[in-house]
Amino acid sequence: DIQMTQSPSSVSASVGDRVTITCRASQDIRGWVAWYQQKPGRAPKLLIYAASSLQSGVPPRFSGSGSGTDFTLTISSLQPEDFATYYCQQPNSFPLTFGGGTKVEIK
Amino acid sequence: EVQLVESGGGLVQPGGSLRLSCTASGFTFSRYSMNWVRQAPGKGLEWVSFIGGSGTDIYYADSVEGRFTISRDNAKNSLYLQMNSLRDEDTAVFFCARRLCTNGVCHFDYWGQGTLVTVSS
Repeated sequence: DIQMTQSPSSVSASVGDRVTITCRASQDIRGWVAWYQQKPGRAPKLLIYAASSLQSGVPPRFSGSGSGTDFTLTISSLQPEDFATYYCQQPNSFPLTFGGGTKVEIK
Repeated sequence: EVQLVESGGGLVQPGGSLRLSCTASGFTFSRYSMNWVRQAPGKGLEWVSFIGGSGTDIYYADSVEGRFTISRDNAKNSLYLQMNSLRDEDTAVFFCARRLCTNGVCHFDYWGQGTLVTVSS
């Protein structure tokens, strides 16, 4: 099974800050990574797919990068509505797996 | 507009059974593979099961293999999860999610709102 390890598990940041979340796969998964945002009581929302492709309707302050085993989600200028939990996922190889999540909190 | 609506959650005793449903609209259901994902209270996301568009390709997480059965009825635009031998640790919100694959790269592009399953005596 492919393990997805996210870090940090939580981060405190202020509006306008640049936030970077990393995800490491236990084996080479090429560019097969998706990133999701989840707010309390809500379903996850797709932000990034194929490591760096922005889902339609998602603000361009979100970006993704990486390939192989190391991937990054960056929020270039944190907005109030971005305080949420973020998950990476490898969606191609069964069993499909998610990272443990990164909670972005208000500083 | 794509919509996924789960139903069937509730309170069940350990060892009991429950059947979840996910009704889809706004897209040609049979053309897409579907998944169940769960989230225990205060925990992260856990993929549970996958079914291909025709219903022939099926996968399960080890944690539910042999206890849960995924199925679909394309004529009814519906996805199901039959859950047997339920355990306390199965308590979670269960989401259905559509899986889209383009040029060999996949992701879950639409999710339902979730249905809560509580296993407790």
